[in-house]
Amino acid sequence: DTAVSQTPKYLVTQMGNDKSIKCEQNLGHDTMYWYKQDSKKFLKIMFSYNNKELIINETVPNRFSPKSPDKAHLNLHINSLELGDSAVYFCASSQGYGGGYFGPGTRLLVL
Amino acid sequence: GNSVTQMEGPVTLSEEAFLTINCTYTATGYPSLFWYVQYPGEGLQLLLKATKADDKGSNKGFEATYRKETTSFHLEKGSVQVSDSAVYFCALSERGGSNYKLTFGKGTLLTVNP
Repeated sequence: DTAVSQTPKYLVTQMGNDKSIKCEQNLGHDTMYWYKQDSKKFLKIMFSYNNKELIINETVPNRFSPKSPDKAHLNLHINSLELGDSAVYFCASSQGYGGGYFGPGTRLLVL
Repeated sequence: GNSVTQMEGPVTLSEEAFLTINCTYTATGYPSLFWYVQYPGEGLQLLLKATKADDKGSNKGFEATYRKETTSFHLEKGSVQVSDSAVYFCALSERGGSNYKLTFGKGTLLTVNP
């Protein structure tokens, strides 16, 4: 049984489009995250939710809007996609300490 | 702010060689420290962690000791295998509001040749 799952795994789209990435965890964790990994493999936190409440928003453009319908799900919606949004987006969940389980990633390519 | 510095790669070793990947950190307070591994085309897997000074994390033959006096958390393995080829990330956990968040190093690519 997959601990943290994301869909889709690959996303290829045109500049200016709007897209969503979904994430689900079945670990019963209270905290979920979105991280972005750029082309040089550098990882940076974007958002953190605790039991459906937004806790961390790391100066991410407001074209990115996370939504947590319940504590097991954290989705990421991106408006007006730009070339620079091309990256791998990882969902993660944890219970304290910040370290935790990562999803397989969504590889977004904006053309 | 807090930061993590790890040795730049790529690191190329022969099978059964000894591995060290250096990691140092800057932090206020006492963060928890982690090593993550990313195999090609996959997500991140937690390899090991240490939550306080002098703790040693270990898993799959890898070890790292939380050294507060040198603010370091170096990753070691006595005998690497081809299957250990991956990118390794050192990270620390710090509070962001009422939550914790991970700050990562830039990653070190390890290639092990047969």
